[in-house]
Amino acid sequence: DVKVTQSSRYLVKRTGEKVFLECVQDMDHENMFWYRQDPGLGLRLIYFSYDVKMKEKGDIPEGYSVSREKKERFSLILESASTNQTSMYLCASSLIGALGNEQFFGPGTRLTVL
Amino acid sequence: GENVEQHPSTLSVQEGDSAVIKCTYSDSASNYFPWYKQELGKRPQLIIDIRSNVGEKKDQRIAVTLNKTAKHFSLHITETQPEDSAVYFCAASRVNTGGFKTIFGAGTRLFVKA
Repeated sequence: DVKVTQSSRYLVKRTGEKVFLECVQDMDHENMFWYRQDPGLGLRLIYFSYDVKMKEKGDIPEGYSVSREKKERFSLILESASTNQTSMYLCASSLIGALGNEQFFGPGTRLTVL
Repeated sequence: GENVEQHPSTLSVQEGDSAVIKCTYSDSASNYFPWYKQELGKRPQLIIDIRSNVGEKKDQRIAVTLNKTAKHFSLHITETQPEDSAVYFCAASRVNTGGFKTIFGAGTRLFVKA
């Protein structure tokens, strides 16, 4: 059974703070993803990674960076948090494959930036 | 840019009726089309998927159809039950660099009235 965990369920930060969100998966998946979920906007891809130290920008990478030093761990970094980054953040992982594969999601981190 | 449009945003049906959710995508290179269900307070989970070499797929009460020419795919739920109430997301994926990139629709909130 695939397990994707995220470091926090709820997080409150102040404007300008540096924020780290961590995601760990235990199924040796190559692909890992970070999304933000906002009402009426669905899931929007921030960054994804298909291998250690590899990363690709998604649709809304501005204000975010990522780190993948180990295969099982993918971190999302908000260099200087702003109020418009208040959102639900979801991490996901999947096997690699040219035809696409199911993504397994973490429980989410609800971030509030004051 | 690439996008996935999903309709309707809200759908209310009587228990036992059918529900249909429709999506269109813009990227002709998309070749994998998953559908995710997200219950309140929970993480999205895959319920069915279809690949570009197939026109239709069925799993018990759930079916998905794909029209690649029209760039259109749909989710059909028959004999709806209250536990089908949730937000449903369609998505379109394509190969991107070393992995694959997924674009999600904005979601459809389905209410099944008992």
